[in-house]
Amino acid sequence: DAGVIQSPRHEVTEMGQEVTLRCKPISGHNSLFWYRQTMMRGLELLIYFNNNVPIDDSGMPEDRFSAKMPNASFSTLKIQPSEPRDSAVYFCASSFNGNQPQHFGDGTRLSIL
Amino acid sequence: DQQVKQNSPSLSVQEGRISILNCDYTNSMFDYFLWYKKYPAEGPTFLISISSIKDKNEDGRFTVFLNKSAKHLSLHIVPSQPGDSAVYFCAASVWGNEKLTFGTGTRLTIIP
Repeated sequence: DAGVIQSPRHEVTEMGQEVTLRCKPISGHNSLFWYRQTMMRGLELLIYFNNNVPIDDSGMPEDRFSAKMPNASFSTLKIQPSEPRDSAVYFCASSFNGNQPQHFGDGTRLSIL
Repeated sequence: DQQVKQNSPSLSVQEGRISILNCDYTNSMFDYFLWYKKYPAEGPTFLISISSIKDKNEDGRFTVFLNKSAKHLSLHIVPSQPGDSAVYFCAASVWGNEKLTFGTGTRLTIIP
């Protein structure tokens, strides 16, 4: 079975550029979560969707961050404009009806120069 | 405001001995707890969970203990093996709520 698929695995870009991270959840899962991992704060929930609808975006740090889920098999997290402090590993996770456990992708390591 | 805390950033244990990883929480509404294991360059993978109606859950070499009055849980790994070297995250949720709150993780190193 295919797990959660994230792309790209690594992204290096210059400050001010737009960054788009992509996620394909496990087929049949209807809840999708975006997390950011940093050394200081560990894994922080940014936003989550249920049935393609954003339920809680209280973790989104600033208006520069936005997320969409146009259909059940695809989500994007966009940062525009990007800043060096956005450098982190971003994970996507999915679950069925919010039941635990959540299943994680392998993450996107983002470096903003 | 860290609602889930893992106060030990790292832990080293000899192979074959017991590894004990600790986690504290402050939100008394939390009633479901999970441990995830993470290898470098991979996503976290689910290891074991416990609901607040229990004080212990066991799965092979892994046992999770929950002390609700102290708002404390621990993960015991016996015996520890080199493949257990990873970062371990504690997470908590309110049953029926999709959100997970994670700790900052503990890096476990098993010394051969």
